[in-house]
Amino acid sequence: KAGVTQTPRYLIKTRGQQVTLSCSPISGHRSVSWYQQTPGQGLQFLFEYFSETQRNKGNFPGRFSGRQFSNSRSEMNVSTLELGDSALYLCASSLVGAGTEAFFGQGTRLTVV
Amino acid sequence: SQQGEEDPQALSIQEGENATMNCSYKTSINNLQWYRQNSGRGLVHLILIRSNEREKHSGRLRVTLDTSKKSSSLLITASRAADTASYFCATDAVLGKLTFGKGITLSVRP
Repeated sequence: KAGVTQTPRYLIKTRGQQVTLSCSPISGHRSVSWYQQTPGQGLQFLFEYFSETQRNKGNFPGRFSGRQFSNSRSEMNVSTLELGDSALYLCASSLVGAGTEAFFGQGTRLTVV
Repeated sequence: SQQGEEDPQALSIQEGENATMNCSYKTSINNLQWYRQNSGRGLVHLILIRSNEREKHSGRLRVTLDTSKKSSSLLITASRAADTASYFCATDAVLGKLTFGKGITLSVRP
């Protein structure tokens, strides 16, 4: 079975721009969640989608948004990028979200300059 | 806020020795999972232990869970240089959301 695929792997953007990151979950998994990892804050939960519905959201500003498609693929968007948005963005997929293993992709390294 | 807190923050051992890492958390949980991360890459799932389980094994890994103390430990036996990585515990007190600790950096010297 293919693992979780995140694209692109690396991105360099300029302050003020917007960016879209993509995540393809493991086949059959319906829950996709997103995390931001920085050296200072560690791993922080952004949001979780299940069957195209956002079930949970972390404490991030509205510039961070996401969506999930009918095939369970998910995208997250960050608008008006700030230098502090530079981070490793990780996507995880699981069968139903609660009580099941969550498997992570390799992440997208976003650098904002 | 961090739900899981691992200790020690850093651990250095010789190849062949056992490594024990601990994780404490604050609220009631459904499950606890341990992950490994190599050099800022993706998280590799190691093991999940449910709140009604006390101990679980997977290869060289042994995980224990004490819900009364809100703590878990990960034991890696007969460590190898390839085990050098950061290790995280993650809890799922809230549906669909994993809360991570700051992680433990394990160095295994050849």
